[in-house]
Amino acid sequence: ILNVEQSPQSLHVQEGDSTNFTCSFPSSNFYALHWYRWETAKSPEALFVMTLNGDEKKKGRISATLNTKEGYSYLYIKGSQPEDSATYLCAFFGGTSYGKLTFGQGTILTVHP
Amino acid sequence: SQTIHQWPATLVQPVGSPLSLECTVEGTSNPNLYWYRQAAGRGLQLLFYSVGIGQISSEVPQNLSASRPQDRQFILSSKKLLLSDSGFYLCAWSQGRDHTDTQYFGPGTRLTVL
Repeated sequence: ILNVEQSPQSLHVQEGDSTNFTCSFPSSNFYALHWYRWETAKSPEALFVMTLNGDEKKKGRISATLNTKEGYSYLYIKGSQPEDSATYLCAFFGGTSYGKLTFGQGTILTVHP
Repeated sequence: SQTIHQWPATLVQPVGSPLSLECTVEGTSNPNLYWYRQAAGRGLQLLFYSVGIGQISSEVPQNLSASRPQDRQFILSSKKLLLSDSGFYLCAWSQGRDHTDTQYFGPGTRLTVL
């Protein structure tokens, strides 16, 4: 069973704060790490697909880094806004799980105005 | 553009009753299709995936089954629901099964078994 862990489980920040959270995954047989954003009453939406150690991806105020050797990825949000409130999911794609993503339990972010 | 539909949006069913959840995809052909469940306080768990009509792979032993009668239709079923089947069910599709292929999710069905 693949272990994909996200921390913290939930996070409350004030509008304008910058924040970050972590996804830990197996460092062996790594192929890709996916990040999704899941807003309430909407479908999960893809943010990033990261494949190379040291990868850094950016989309607006959201960025992510990847360390495949130690098995973690950070997601950063700069200057959080209330519309950033969502559950952020990471998903691991390994060499032994062809075509299948293993998801973490998510980090629930609430940005207070 | 591609769209994915799921219905119903919410469902309340008694224990022992049957279940049928439907998912359809538009705007693409021969997609890979997936059923996930999110139980309370847990991550998305892959239940079934399908790479083509009639081809179903089950990920976890359970009280549920899946079928793919048409290229863009994926159905999740149960003959007799259990309390533990309650949760949020998501259907997803992807164009390929490569490690960089994004999965696109439907709006989900919230199932409560009483």
